[in-house]
Amino acid sequence: AQKITQTQPGMFVQEKEAVTLDCTYDTSDPSYGLFWYKQPSSGEMIFLIYQGSYDQQNATEGRYSLNFQKARKSANLVISASQLGDSAMYFCAMREVNYGGSQGNLIFGKGTKLSVKP
Amino acid sequence: DADVTQTPRNRITKTGKRIMLECSQTKGHDRMYWYRQDPGLGLRLIYYSFDVKDINKGEISDGYSVSRQAQAKFSLSLESAIPNQTALYFCATSEGGSKDNEQFFGPGTRLTVL
Repeated sequence: AQKITQTQPGMFVQEKEAVTLDCTYDTSDPSYGLFWYKQPSSGEMIFLIYQGSYDQQNATEGRYSLNFQKARKSANLVISASQLGDSAMYFCAMREVNYGGSQGNLIFGKGTKLSVKP
Repeated sequence: DADVTQTPRNRITKTGKRIMLECSQTKGHDRMYWYRQDPGLGLRLIYYSFDVKDINKGEISDGYSVSRQAQAKFSLSLESAIPNQTALYFCATSEGGSKDNEQFFGPGTRLTVL
């Protein structure tokens, strides 16, 4: 079963509007971390935001915020005031404390391609 | 200068050839990783190393081997390349421990196997 599910292969948003990228996860581990990465067309992976499973507040980093709903096992990324430069692939990832007997490995979703329209 | 570097950035090779992809980091991190990315499949873990003497298989290690020559260097080898190993390969590092909240990625190596 998929551990990270991103149900939106592609999304469009108008410049200056907010957009939510969906991510649901599956784990029985009580301790885990959730990550969002951006991959522009140039190919590099850019870390955006992190949410720990025990964090009481939703993570925010500038225009990025993570809507963490633990009971629903969702970790949606919200981008406010979209800019043309936000057009990219966005990956949700999870790190379980114990995955295959080890710690620290990221499990990635398949990504969502965001296109910002002028 | 980039903290995580990968060489080469692009490589085209033929089926059956041996290929080595190299990764170096100046972040002083103990943990290093190799991923491959295929269209529509996200990133998948090939191998990882938590220190110089520690090597572990990831989700898709078949057909690959790795070498952790030093804390700063982690190489991925394809002993006999095949076309379905055509992909974008990423090296990553992380600090580990209580500060293991981010993996830092290299720029990627685009490998084409003909």
